[in-house]
Amino acid sequence: EPEVTQTPSHQVTQMGQEVILRCVPISNHLYFYWYRQILGQKVEFLVSFYNNEISEKSEIFDDQFSVERPDGSNFTLKIRSTKLEDSAMYFCASSHRGNQETQYFGPGTRLLVL
Amino acid sequence: QKEVEQNSGPLSVPEGAIASLNCTYSDRGSQSFFWYRQYSGKSPELIMFIYSNGDKEDGRFTAQLNKASQYVSLLIRDSQPSDSATYLCAVSKAGTASKLTFGTGTRLQVTL
Repeated sequence: EPEVTQTPSHQVTQMGQEVILRCVPISNHLYFYWYRQILGQKVEFLVSFYNNEISEKSEIFDDQFSVERPDGSNFTLKIRSTKLEDSAMYFCASSHRGNQETQYFGPGTRLLVL
Repeated sequence: QKEVEQNSGPLSVPEGAIASLNCTYSDRGSQSFFWYRQYSGKSPELIMFIYSNGDKEDGRFTAQLNKASQYVSLLIRDSQPSDSATYLCAVSKAGTASKLTFGTGTRLQVTL
């Protein structure tokens, strides 16, 4: 069964450093998403992406964040200058063109900012 | 008022019993409703979705939607210890690449 994959599974970085989180969505999906979950809190929407542009972004997704689909398979989330409060689990999700609202989640990247 | 509200639990049910999980939402424009299961340290796993008022059954799971009351529920029949997890209710509006808005989740414990 096709799955969303994410790398790395864990990332530790120093405050102020740039990180890139990578995702490979399910191959025939065209809608892509990033969510985050701070430990003990709810899953929060960051950004959605379709047709090589951002469809919607939350107030969390400020100028420090960017997304890109650099090739036909990868979907990345970049945090330019990490802050302590960026420590969280980051989930990538994708959905099928014809059933765009059913989103399937990857295993997540646990980001720890020191 | 929170957009999606769930009782955090824990909800404790004995093995073989029915677990009933509830969710309310505030935005009347919400059109799609999802139940995800999340084991500790893992990602959300889709269990069911429901779009129309009424019941939808899939194996041991039944989702119920009442848009007039802005209420969604999930029933788990014949609960198993492996069902012990946090159950997340999520809602979205129609539209291109619609975001999911999640509740905080209800922790379910199925006891032997």
